[in-house]
Parts: sequence; structure tokens; C-alpha cells
Amino acid sequence: DAGVTQSPTHLIKTRGQQVTLRCSPISGHKSVSWYQQVLGQGPQFIFQYYEKEERGRGNFPDRFSARQFPNYSSELNVNALLLGDSALYLCASRWGFGTGETGELFFGEGSRLTVL
Amino acid sequence: SQQGEEDPQALSIQEGENATMNCSYKTSINNLQWYRQNSGRGLVHLILIRSNEREKHSGRLRVTLDTSKKSSSLLITASRAADTASYFCATDATHGSSNTGKLIFGQGTTLQVKP
Repeated sequence: DAGVTQSPTHLIKTRGQQVTLRCSPISGHKSVSWYQQVLGQGPQFIFQYYEKEERGRGNFPDRFSARQFPNYSSELNVNALLLGDSALYLCASRWGFGTGETGELFFGEGSRLTVL
Repeated sequence: SQQGEEDPQALSIQEGENATMNCSYKTSINNLQWYRQNSGRGLVHLILIRSNEREKHSGRLRVTLDTSKKSSSLLITASRAADTASYFCATDATHGSSNTGKLIFGQGTTLQVKP
């Protein structure tokens, strides 16, 4: 079975531009979350989506937005790019959205964004 | 912001030796998870330990959790060169009926296993 797939794998943008990153979850997984990993740091939570609705948001500015489609794939958009947005953007999926606990996440290989 | 800290930041050992990594966190948790990352690629889930568990094993991995000290350790026994990677702890601090699906990651320990 295919794992979580992300595209593009690498991209270079300039300051002020906009970027869209894409994620397809594991078949059957209905929940997708996005993380930003700056070089040398651990991943930081950006968003979680379940059944096309935003269910959680991290401490990121409004320049960051996301959505989930009926097939459970997801897009992360970042507007007005800053140099500090350079990072590995990771998508993770899991099956459900149970109460009380976040279990194992399945990560994609990430999209490495460089902002010049 | 990061939940906690990992110690050491970097660890270099010989093949066959054991590797121990520690993780501290700040808030009460539902569970604590360990992930592995090879060379800036995707993270792979290793093991999950719940707040009411004290120790868990999976193959060559042993995880302990001390909720009174808000700390956890990951032990990799009989290490191999293929274990070279970064290891991250992540905590699920969700409370109440809503579940944001948020994990809070530490800054990681970079492990090098020399053949």
C-alpha cells in the first residue's frame, strides 16, 4: 500500500511569493496534519484537518492556510513568503479522530521549501 | 514552541553498544511517542507509551516513562550502523473531549553508530 505522498519534494521561491504544497494520505486515513520543521529543530504543528474541517491550529500567522478535499487529500498554502519560512513541511495522516488521544502519525517524506 | 528537551543533542557510539536518549516535557500528557528521522526525510513512528505505563519494549527498543519527573528515555540495544538517524520524542497533551491531533516534538537527538 502507498504511504503518505507529498509534492513537490523540493522547491525554491523568492520572498513575497506564494506556495502550495500537496499531500495524499494513506488510503482509508481521514485525518491529515501539517508540520513545519526548521533545520536542526523538531517538527512544529501547523494544522490538523478531519472530514474537511479544521480541527486544530498551531501558532502560525494567517499567511498559512490549508484545506482538505472530499478524497481526504490536503493542501497547505503559504502567502507572502519570508526567509524564515524556509523549512521541511511534513504531512502526516491517521485513520480517525478519536477523543482524548492522538496516536501514531504516518508521515510523508516532506516538501523542502527554500525561500531566497 | 517545543514541549521539552532531549538529551544529549548528539551521541556517537560503536556498533554493538547501547544508546540511551532522554526526553523531558512540561505538561501532563496522554502519551509519549518516539520517532526516527533519516537525513531530513519523513519521520517514522517507533513506539508509543501511555501515561499509565512505565515501560514498553519493541524489538531492540525499550522506552520508560516517569510521569512524576515528566521524563522518558529510549534505549536502543546492540546498535547497528543502520540505526544512525535523528530521534525525536513527541507528546500528546490533548485534554478534554476535543482532540486537535497535535503532537509536540522535542528538538531531537542525533545518533551516529560507527561500524
